[in-house]
Amino acid sequence: AQRVTQPEKLLSVFKGAPVELKCNYSYSGSPELFWYVQYSRQRLQLLLRHISRESIKGFTADLNKGETSFHLKKPFAQEEDSAMYYCAHPGGTSYGKLTFGQGTILTVHP
Amino acid sequence: SAVISQKPSRDICQRGTSLTIQCQVDSQVTMMFWYRQQPGQSLTLIATANQGSEATYESGFVIDKFPISRPNLTFSTLTVSNMSPEDSSIYLCSVEDHRFGPGTRLTVL
Repeated sequence: AQRVTQPEKLLSVFKGAPVELKCNYSYSGSPELFWYVQYSRQRLQLLLRHISRESIKGFTADLNKGETSFHLKKPFAQEEDSAMYYCAHPGGTSYGKLTFGQGTILTVHP
Repeated sequence: SAVISQKPSRDICQRGTSLTIQCQVDSQVTMMFWYRQQPGQSLTLIATANQGSEATYESGFVIDKFPISRPNLTFSTLTVSNMSPEDSSIYLCSVEDHRFGPGTRLTVL
């Protein structure tokens, strides 16, 4: 089955430290992968998608086909980055349909 | 990008009753999706709603429990029928450009 795996349920770092949230995928064909962020009491927001290769809020993610990974990285974490992060991929043939990983709660300590 | 709103934002309901959740998009979209986020869990797709056809349900979800309407290209409803405490979740709608509504937090007593 096609799926994404986020091995860490919780991740804690200190402000200013680098952060990497892991996402591995099991997917046949060319994967299309997304990172979503959900801040406390706010709606789920699309953070970035691999095909756009953009950087949002200092976060980047590179697709590594050899390692089947799409890890989310930021060189210097900020306290406001504390949130739930989800990795997702298209769940089937319907455009827009997504399958989500289990999520990683990132806490950035002052 | 589409602006998506949902009503109600939250509700507390009694066991055995039904609740209809509305999702409104400010532009026409072909596909709308309904997800469930159970407490402490990730999002799970319930169904895909296309205008002019019946919704397509994912494994584990059935039309009798989660009837969906899609009367036009900017609106959809999800009904949670004959509710039990296990239905307590956040229900979210989404559209084809991967954006999500704010969610409806449902608590069933």
